[in-house]
Amino acid sequence: DAGITQSPRYKITETGRQVTLMCHQTWSHSYMFWYRQDLGHGLRLIYYSAAADITDKGEVPDGYVVSRSKTENFPLTLESATRSQTSVYFCASKNRTSVRYEQYFGPGTRLTVT
Amino acid sequence: AQKVTQAQTEISVVEKEDVTLDCVYETRDTTYYLFWYKQPPSGELVFLIRRNSFDEQNEISGRYSWNFQKSTSSFNFTITASQVVDSAVYFCALSALSSGSARQLTFGSGTQLTVLP
Repeated sequence: DAGITQSPRYKITETGRQVTLMCHQTWSHSYMFWYRQDLGHGLRLIYYSAAADITDKGEVPDGYVVSRSKTENFPLTLESATRSQTSVYFCASKNRTSVRYEQYFGPGTRLTVT
Repeated sequence: AQKVTQAQTEISVVEKEDVTLDCVYETRDTTYYLFWYKQPPSGELVFLIRRNSFDEQNEISGRYSWNFQKSTSSFNFTITASQVVDSAVYFCALSALSSGSARQLTFGSGTQLTVLP
């Protein structure tokens, strides 16, 4: 019963490099989300997905790309990393669209861009 | 658009004191849910509670209690007899029908609670 996992947990990369953060959930939840957490901003939504092959932008999508070929995976790619993308990234999922359903979060990936 | 404000950036209390974390929200929707999440030093986000917009009853769970007041658009969280293990960042969040097709969460900026022994 792994739930929702993220890899890597820690990543250091250089400016301009491409980096992919992985997210995997075992619940077959329809919805998946990517957030970034920065001091003073709480968590801000980057992208979300309603199902395989259906994705949409959130509040701060610039510089990020997502894909969802399988229900259980939702990778987040930084095409050309910048220092402003240094952050903690959380993946989350939920089963239904209803407002009443809470999201379940992965353990987070701490990304540092040098 | 939705907005959640947690004006208290940091709070420090001594063990066994009561502490209240404030949360003020904005939404034009009449149907919405409010949530509290805890983020301990280990970093994971732990769901604590949800409350729907039609239920203004306060809720108590052990040392935790929540006060929801639609008149002031607030959903405050009180920890009674705080313990060192309560030290964490606490986030208030909102999900509404107009939050987007996934009814995604809008988070406040969080309150860092430190409970000193």
